[in-house]
Amino acid sequence: AQKVTQAQTEISVVEKEDVTLDCVYETRDTTYYLFWYKQPPSGELVFLIRRNSFDEQNEISGRYSWNFQKSTSSFNFTITASQVVDSAVYFCALMTGANSKLTFGKGITLSVRP
Amino acid sequence: ETGVTQSPTHLIKTRGQQVTLRCSSQSGHNTVSWYQQALGQGPQFIFQYYREEENGRGNFPPRFSGLQFPNYSSELNVNALELDDSALYLCASSPTRGRRITGELFFGEGSRLTVL
Repeated sequence: AQKVTQAQTEISVVEKEDVTLDCVYETRDTTYYLFWYKQPPSGELVFLIRRNSFDEQNEISGRYSWNFQKSTSSFNFTITASQVVDSAVYFCALMTGANSKLTFGKGITLSVRP
Repeated sequence: ETGVTQSPTHLIKTRGQQVTLRCSSQSGHNTVSWYQQALGQGPQFIFQYYREEENGRGNFPPRFSGLQFPNYSSELNVNALELDDSALYLCASSPTRGRRITGELFFGEGSRLTVL
C-alpha cells in the first residue's frame, strides 16, 4: 500500500524566514514519482515539482528547493526567504502503479506573516 | 493554465439528489482521473478512465460512477447524494503511454459541491 505522511499540520513564520516542509512516503514499487503541489485559498492545485524515483539529485528553483533521499524515504521542500504570497496549503503526493494513481498527504498549512 | 477545464465550478444539491460533473482533458491526453477533496483533507483518488474504460478505482461506493467519451472528456456521476459528499472534486488528465505512468498529471480547478 502507498502512504504519504506530512507530520506537520500548520506552520507559521514571519516573512523572510526560511521554512522546510517535511514529507515521508511508503511504497514497495521501484518506479514511482513524487510531487509537491500548492493549494491557495482559491482551491486549484498548483504543480510545483515532480521527481522520479531514479533521480535523487536535489533541485533548486528560485526560492524553492527540494531534498529527495531514498534512504529515508523523504522528499522535503524548503522555501527560502518566505513571502506572504507563499501562504497556502502544500501537499506532497506519490504516484505509483499502472493507473498513475496519486496518493496525497494531508497537507501542511503554511502562514507567512508580514 | 493546465488546459483541463471543469464544470460547473460551484453547485448546491440536496441529500438524495444526483449530480453530474464534467471535465475536458488537455489536448492529446487519453487518461482522466477524478479525486475528491473534503475540507481540510488531501485529495482522494476516486477512479481513472483510460480510452473510455475504467482503469482503477479507489475506495468509493458504486454510487460514484463515471464515463469517458471518445474525445477523452469525462463525467463523474454521484447518485443518492449524502452530506459527506460535500467536497471539491478535481479532475486530472495525463498522457499515459499504453498503461504505464509518465509522471505527467494536470489538474483542473475543481467543482465545489455542497450537499444540504
